Amino acid sequence: EAGVAQSPRYKIIEKRQSVAFWCNPISGHATLYWYQQILGQGPKLLIQFQNNGVVDDSQLPKDRFSAERLKGVDSTLKIQPAKLEDSAVYLCASSLSVAGSYEQYFGPGTRLTVT
Amino acid sequence: AQTVTQSQPEMSVQEAETVTLSCTYDTSESDYYLFWYKQPPSRQMILVIRQEAYKQQNATENRFSVNFQKAAKSFSLKISDSQLGDAAMYFCAYRSNTNAGKSTFGDGTTLTVKP
Repeated sequence: EAGVAQSPRYKIIEKRQSVAFWCNPISGHATLYWYQQILGQGPKLLIQFQNNGVVDDSQLPKDRFSAERLKGVDSTLKIQPAKLEDSAVYLCASSLSVAGSYEQYFGPGTRLTVT
Repeated sequence: AQTVTQSQPEMSVQEAETVTLSCTYDTSESDYYLFWYKQPPSRQMILVIRQEAYKQQNATENRFSVNFQKAAKSFSLKISDSQLGDAAMYFCAYRSNTNAGKSTFGDGTTLTVKP
């Protein structure tokens, strides 16, 4: 079974530029999460999708971050414009469902550096 | 809002010995799940063990076990017979089974295993 795929793995941009990350979850997983992990901290949930609907985006900085999940499968996370404090690893995870004891499967992450 | 606290930023253990990582959480919910995830230096996070809050019996997975104290809101991870491959960052995570499965992670404990 293929795992969660993310691309790119690394990205360096200047502040005020825009950037997009892509995630392909495990086939059949209804729930998809985007996390921001700043060095030395735990993952912070940015947005959670159930199929192609948003379940929780309360911690997403909506003035600069946006995300979508096309047809309930792949997802993209965009930052526009980027700030220095957006430097972090962006993790995508998926699970079978929001209910039950289903674990989250994580992708390798995208390391973003904003200069 | 739920919070997860891991009070030990770093821990070390001698190979073959036992170590316990601490985690406390705060919630007003009664239906939830708790997880320990491992994030090796390659950064792909994987599940170590999970606990359903309604189960009194502590979960066990080979050398990994938990001490779940629901009243105290404590969820510690014990690693027995530590191996070099156990060296990683360990995250405690809470997932609501009512609030759309929202997940909250602690800030992690870096475990070093000494040969």
